[in-house]
Amino acid sequence: SYVLTQPPSVSVAPGQTARITCGGNNIGIKSVHWYQQKPGQAPLLVVYNNNGRPSGIPERFSGSNSGNTATLTISRVEAGDEADYYCQVWDSTSDHVVFGGGTKLTVL
Amino acid sequence: QVQLVQSGPEVKKPGASVKVSCKASGYNFILYGINWVRQAPGQGLEWVGWISPYNGQTYFAQNVQDRIILTTDTSTNTAFMELTGLTSDDTAVYYCARELDRLEVLIVWGQGTLVTVSS
Repeated sequence: SYVLTQPPSVSVAPGQTARITCGGNNIGIKSVHWYQQKPGQAPLLVVYNNNGRPSGIPERFSGSNSGNTATLTISRVEAGDEADYYCQVWDSTSDHVVFGGGTKLTVL
Repeated sequence: QVQLVQSGPEVKKPGASVKVSCKASGYNFILYGINWVRQAPGQGLEWVGWISPYNGQTYFAQNVQDRIILTTDTSTNTAFMELTGLTSDDTAVYYCARELDRLEVLIVWGQGTLVTVSS
């Protein structure tokens, strides 16, 4: 089955740029989606179809996808961005939705 | 507004079954599929399955495909997830989530239902 690999944790100072990677075999040909989850809350879609932004999501959130790595970029990081972030794809080989293991973003 | 409201927490014994409901409002229920995602305590997100309210088509995660039943009731705009043969590994918060434009793009989530399996 298809595997998505994320770093367990990323730390960044307020105002700086955070980059969270999601590795997968030839992931560049897939559509990648990203979710933010704060403690005790349901996940929230922040980026879809590699670089789309749902209504209400700040422009500070963006995505890219090429080769074997997709990246979620959060510019001008704020304390409120501290959360777990998950990448996700549809694996057409197995007809399964696949999530990455998640990355905890810490704002220093 | 678009909303998914799930049923309350459940405590079950090993070997029992659980049925979680997810009532939709604010949109045409038939037009969008419903995914089910679970999260064990302190763990990441795990996709469980998907159902189309339009025609009942389903997809299931391999590790639960023999134990899961997904249904919808279009008269009440409600989706249901039933999981049988529960074990402690099934202890998790179960979320329903509506797709956006692709099956796997989860734009609206329910509040989650905690299912605890304990003897």
